[in-house]
Amino acid sequence: AQSVTQLDSQVPVFEEAPVELRCNYSSSVSVYLFWYVQYPNQGLQLLLKYLSGSTLVKGINGFEAEFNKSQTSFHLRKPSVHISDTAEYFCAVSASGGYNKLIFGAGTRLAVHP
Amino acid sequence: DTAVSQTPKYLVTQMGNDKSIKCEQNLGHDTMYWYKQDSKKFLKIMFSYNNKELIINETVPNRFSPKSPDKAHLNLHINSLELGDSAVYFCASSPPWGGAGPREQYFGPGTRLTVT
Repeated sequence: AQSVTQLDSQVPVFEEAPVELRCNYSSSVSVYLFWYVQYPNQGLQLLLKYLSGSTLVKGINGFEAEFNKSQTSFHLRKPSVHISDTAEYFCAVSASGGYNKLIFGAGTRLAVHP
Repeated sequence: DTAVSQTPKYLVTQMGNDKSIKCEQNLGHDTMYWYKQDSKKFLKIMFSYNNKELIINETVPNRFSPKSPDKAHLNLHINSLELGDSAVYFCASSPPWGGAGPREQYFGPGTRLTVT
């Protein structure tokens, strides 16, 4: 079975500051890793995904994430945030060979202040 | 040109009632999903259909019954609604298996169900 832990429920940050949202996972099999963003009153949108290969993954809106197998982590980063990045961010895993089932973390609320 | 659509967007009903939520996708995908997001924003998969066949059925009360009349539609019927069913329900879809790696899931805008 897989599980995902997002260590911070809320992350406040000032505009143009860097941010890191932390994600750790647990799995007995190989997994694929994802970050989704949910803007207020909207559905989820894929930010980026790690399937294999390079451990640094670049996504949309200037976000990137680094897969660290030894630490079972997949932290999301952005060097300079904007007010419009205020949203809920979800880390998720999907087991390879599974039915494409996504297991989500509890989410991190990113609040960007002017 | 909506990709994954859900109706209704909001649903307020009383305990004990039966209600349905509809989902449609126009992306040509063959797999569809229902997720439940509770008041703490926690998302959990409920069901998944592939080509109208049920492939994921998590531990969900049997008051919840999904139905997929065709590949483009996945409906969720809920009998005898309870207060704890209040949540946002998201539909998602993904393209046919390409032979390697996971298939991206495209989410609908959600249906906010409130049971009073």
